[in-house]
Amino acid sequence: ETGVTQTPRHLVMGMTNKKSLKCEQHLGHNAMYWYKQSAKKPLELMFVYNFKEQTENNSVPSRFSPECPNSSHLFLHLHTLQPEDSALYLCASGGGADTQYFGPGTRLTVL
Amino acid sequence: GEDVEQSLFLSVREGDSSVINCTYTDSSSTYLYWYKQEPGAGLQLLTYIFSNMDMKQDQRLTVLLNKKDKHLSLRIADTQTGDSAIYFCAELLTGGGNKLTFGTGTQLKVEL
Repeated sequence: ETGVTQTPRHLVMGMTNKKSLKCEQHLGHNAMYWYKQSAKKPLELMFVYNFKEQTENNSVPSRFSPECPNSSHLFLHLHTLQPEDSALYLCASGGGADTQYFGPGTRLTVL
Repeated sequence: GEDVEQSLFLSVREGDSSVINCTYTDSSSTYLYWYKQEPGAGLQLLTYIFSNMDMKQDQRLTVLLNKKDKHLSLRIADTQTGDSAIYFCAELLTGGGNKLTFGTGTQLKVEL
């Protein structure tokens, strides 16, 4: 499934670093999402964008900053993260019947 | 509130049928979904069912929905080793925008 791509696939960063995750979708969808997947926890919705506008912020700490310049691209800017932020970050885009198509994720490790 | 529950683990023998179960608490679901996640990968949409349907079949996959009991199941016929993965059910709520609530996932292990 190459409709939704994410880079990088793996990222290791220190708590004082600033990095960005990128997501790109080639499916013509107008909705894009960021999720956090931690071990043994349900998938957590972080942000939702519809037509480039943020429609959902699920009480995410400000050290995570999303950006959606157009309907095909979504970024997650990271700064001063904590070790508990280590997780798999998944991007998805929204299609018909409210189906969501996921990218492969970025495995983030915060040291 | 929204809560989706799944058993954590299921083990089956190759060639047998697998049945993965899911229960949810909110009766205002509009769509319910099954996703598959293989190691190191994102979630792959397998199938979905609209809440006014009882059953949906798609090749080896059969989805059963019991709205009265708020129970969703995924049956995989002739399970293969390639079906080993984590399976997530998810629900979309009426008035929830396009937000999905996911279960914790069921790890399916297929043994030879």
